[in-house]
Amino acid sequence: GDSVTQMEGPVTLSEEAFLTINCTYTATGYPSLFWYVQYPGEGLQLLLKATKADDKGSNKGFEATYRKETTSFHLEKGSVQVSDSAVYFCALSEGAGSYQLTFGKGTKLSVIP
Amino acid sequence: DTAVSQTPKYLVTQMGNDKSIKCEQNLGHDTMYWYKQDSKKFLKIMFSYNNKELIINETVPNRFSPKSPDKAHLNLHINSLELGDSAVYFCASSQGMEAFFGQGTRLTVV
Repeated sequence: GDSVTQMEGPVTLSEEAFLTINCTYTATGYPSLFWYVQYPGEGLQLLLKATKADDKGSNKGFEATYRKETTSFHLEKGSVQVSDSAVYFCALSEGAGSYQLTFGKGTKLSVIP
Repeated sequence: DTAVSQTPKYLVTQMGNDKSIKCEQNLGHDTMYWYKQDSKKFLKIMFSYNNKELIINETVPNRFSPKSPDKAHLNLHINSLELGDSAVYFCASSQGMEAFFGQGTRLTVV
C-alpha cells in the first residue's frame, strides 16, 4: 500500500535559519503530493501541493519539488520565523474518486528567536 | 464562517459509553472524511464518504460508524468506548484534491 516517510523530529532552529524536512513516498500509481501544517491547538491547513513530476509547490516562502525519480517531496524554506513553529505533515493522495490522504508521521518544528 | 466545524471540541467520557462527534461543512463539497490523530501526532484515515460510496479503513473497529444525514454533515458514532480510543479526531471535506480540516475533537476516555 501507499506510505509516506518523513524525517523524525523534533527540529529546533534559530530564526532566519534554513529549513529542510525530508519526505519520501511509496505509491502504486501517480500520486499528488502535499505538505500540511498544524499550528498548536488547530486543525491542519494545506501549505502547498504538487500534482505531477517536476512540479514545484510554493507558499509563504516554503517550497517543495515533486521528484519522481527519487520519490521525494522535501520541504524547504530559506529563512524560518518564530511563527513557523508547528507540526508539518507530508501526505499523498492517489485520487480516483476519494482523495483520502496518506500522511507521514509529522515533524515538529520549533523556531527560537 | 468556519468552513468545516466539529463539535464538541473536547469530550471526556467513561469506558463503555457511546458518544457522537458532529461535523458540518459549508463548502458544498461532495466528499467528507474522518481522520484519527494518535498521541504521537500520527494521522490515519478512518472513513471517506460521498453520496455514493463509503470507504472504510479496514483497521477501524466496527464500534466506529459514520452517519451522514445529508451532504453537508458526517457524524461519527462510537460505541462501547475503550481507553485506546483516546485521540484527536479530525473531520475533513474535499472537492478534488485539496482537503479542508476541522479543528479537531480531543476525545479522552477514562
